[in-house]
Amino acid sequence: EAGVTQFPSHSVIEKGQTVTLRCDPISGHDNLYWYRRVMGKEIKFLLHFVKESKQDESGMPNNRFLAERTGGTYSTLKVQPAELEDSGVYFCASSQVHGTGGYTFGSGTRLTVV
Amino acid sequence: DAKTTQPTSMDCAEGRAANLPCNHSTISGNEYVYWYRQIHSQGPQYIIHGLKNNETNEMASLIITEDRKSSTLILPHATLRDTAVYYCIVRGNTGRRALTFGSGTRLQVQP
Repeated sequence: EAGVTQFPSHSVIEKGQTVTLRCDPISGHDNLYWYRRVMGKEIKFLLHFVKESKQDESGMPNNRFLAERTGGTYSTLKVQPAELEDSGVYFCASSQVHGTGGYTFGSGTRLTVV
Repeated sequence: DAKTTQPTSMDCAEGRAANLPCNHSTISGNEYVYWYRQIHSQGPQYIIHGLKNNETNEMASLIITEDRKSSTLILPHATLRDTAVYYCIVRGNTGRRALTFGSGTRLQVQP
């Protein structure tokens, strides 16, 4: 089966600009998660979708970040306007609804804000 | 979710077993122990998880102590490709589904 796909793999934008990251989960996985690692810090949870509904968005840093998952398939994470501290690697993961199994992560999007 | 404590780094000779310890003394009855790893700049990779019984899959074995306050991930024959940061994470099977990553253990497999 195809894994979790993230696009783009790299993005360099100027402070104040807008960037949209995309994640395609494994087909049939209703759970979709966003995480990020900013420079020198640990991987942090951002939010969790179950199908198209936001189940937990407690990790979203501020209102410059907007995540959507229309139709319960792929998800987008938009940063507007981007700030320097948003630089880092953004990971998406997916899992099936039930069970205690592990998540499958994508390779991430490396975002650099200059 | 219970907090975990892992050594910052470990070395292992190629071909030998790598034993990575994790302490989770505040683990509660419904919390599972998960292990993930991150190889260089790739996304985290799920390895194995368990509740109280020892578990084994094609990647590794997980040994959980009887009191469940600590566990050990065992890579039976480490290869250079196993060089990575290994994360021990404790999480319940209900409620919040987020994973809390700590600093992990940086395992360096030496040739």
